[in-house]
Amino acid sequence: GAGVSQSPSNKVTEKGKDVELRCDPISGHTALYWYRQSLGQGLEFLIYFQGNSAPDKSGLPSDRFSAERTGGSVSTLTIQRTQQEDSAVYLCASSSTAGGTEAFFGQGTRLTVV
Amino acid sequence: GQNIDQPTEMTATEGAIVQINCTYQTSGFNGLFWYQQHAGEAPTFLSYNVLDGLEEKGRFSSFLSRSKGYSYLLLKELQMKDSASYLCAAFSGGYQKVTFGTGTKLQVIP
Repeated sequence: GAGVSQSPSNKVTEKGKDVELRCDPISGHTALYWYRQSLGQGLEFLIYFQGNSAPDKSGLPSDRFSAERTGGSVSTLTIQRTQQEDSAVYLCASSSTAGGTEAFFGQGTRLTVV
Repeated sequence: GQNIDQPTEMTATEGAIVQINCTYQTSGFNGLFWYQQHAGEAPTFLSYNVLDGLEEKGRFSSFLSRSKGYSYLLLKELQMKDSASYLCAAFSGGYQKVTFGTGTKLQVIP
């Protein structure tokens, strides 16, 4: 597609429910990032995928968070047993391979846990 | 390891010049990005520095010193629309990964 697409754009869920957030990166981009951004705060790194390499999961805040990237393209971020502190905007970004090309961001999914 | 530091907030006056600093400690450093993020929007690319020195793009300039692990973003002739967060990000060629700082929230006042 023309840009990074994330869905849903907004999600309201009850505490304790599981949610899945989807990211469609730009076609051909091998690097994919998930970030979390709470209201008025900076970006918090969650997870990074690069090609077929093992993902860098060092930013995942707890074992309730997991992410997959199928076929080197679409990625899904899953949050199990959501808590109110999970409420944030979840941003996905993708970039092409070597050379330090810029990362393009999706518009994010605003998650509200009530 | 990867560590990026930038001030949390800054305030500057319309028409003035402001410099936003960023220091980084990154394994396998290749280059330094600056992004702009308006409230409620996704970050957008401003600049990428690989070599030491100053690169100018209109009202915005970005500087890099690889030996000092230091960069800054210079905004001239500030406009109200420049009120945004400015994110510094280091690219590590070894890890093929971009690491973002938490951003500097700039408020431009009349």
